[in-house]
Amino acid sequence: EDQVTQSPEALRLQEGESSSLNCSYTVSGLRGLFWYRQDPGKGPEFLFTLYSAGEEKEKERLKATLTKKESFLHITAPKPEDSATYLCAVQAEIQGAQKLVFGQGTRLTINP
Amino acid sequence: NAGVTQTPKFRVLKTGQSMTLLCAQDMNHEYMYWYRQDPGMGLRLIHYSVGEGTTAKGEVPDGYNVSRLKKQNFLLGLESAAPSQTSVYFCASSYASLYGYTFGSGTRLTVV
Repeated sequence: EDQVTQSPEALRLQEGESSSLNCSYTVSGLRGLFWYRQDPGKGPEFLFTLYSAGEEKEKERLKATLTKKESFLHITAPKPEDSATYLCAVQAEIQGAQKLVFGQGTRLTINP
Repeated sequence: NAGVTQTPKFRVLKTGQSMTLLCAQDMNHEYMYWYRQDPGMGLRLIHYSVGEGTTAKGEVPDGYNVSRLKKQNFLLGLESAAPSQTSVYFCASSYASLYGYTFGSGTRLTVV
């Protein structure tokens, strides 16, 4: 069964304290891994897509990396506005079609 | 602003009542999706569409029906609401299956 597991469930950091979020996955034939950001009361917002092991992508203070079994979202010198829930998703086959399967997310809080 | 619009934003139903959630996108995307988000369960795919006039089942389709009569609109129907359908419903669209999804802001549905 295709699964996506994110850790930790919640993370609290001080402003400027760098850290990483983990997304481990089991899927037959990974076609893409996606990272989203979700603010309270809003829909997820697309951040990155990674397609193959070794690939990296960056956006401001965020950097996503991918290996054959997991992805990391590195947050460098975070600011309070980076507080959100970060969702990881993989493209997996559901009833013969490729669809996104989401993890449960990591709730990140950055204290000023 | 271009994007995905969901109506209504909030709704309370009594058990057994029916309702339709409307999703509209103005990005000319072919693919549209309905997800539900529950605490501890993450986002789960209900139904999806790969083009006008097509629909298909996702992971949790029971109790829901959908229609895509126009490319820009994707409707989710609940024929006889049950308390287990209390959730936050998100619509999303994408250019193709391996592209990032654009999500709406969600509909919070409570069935009493």
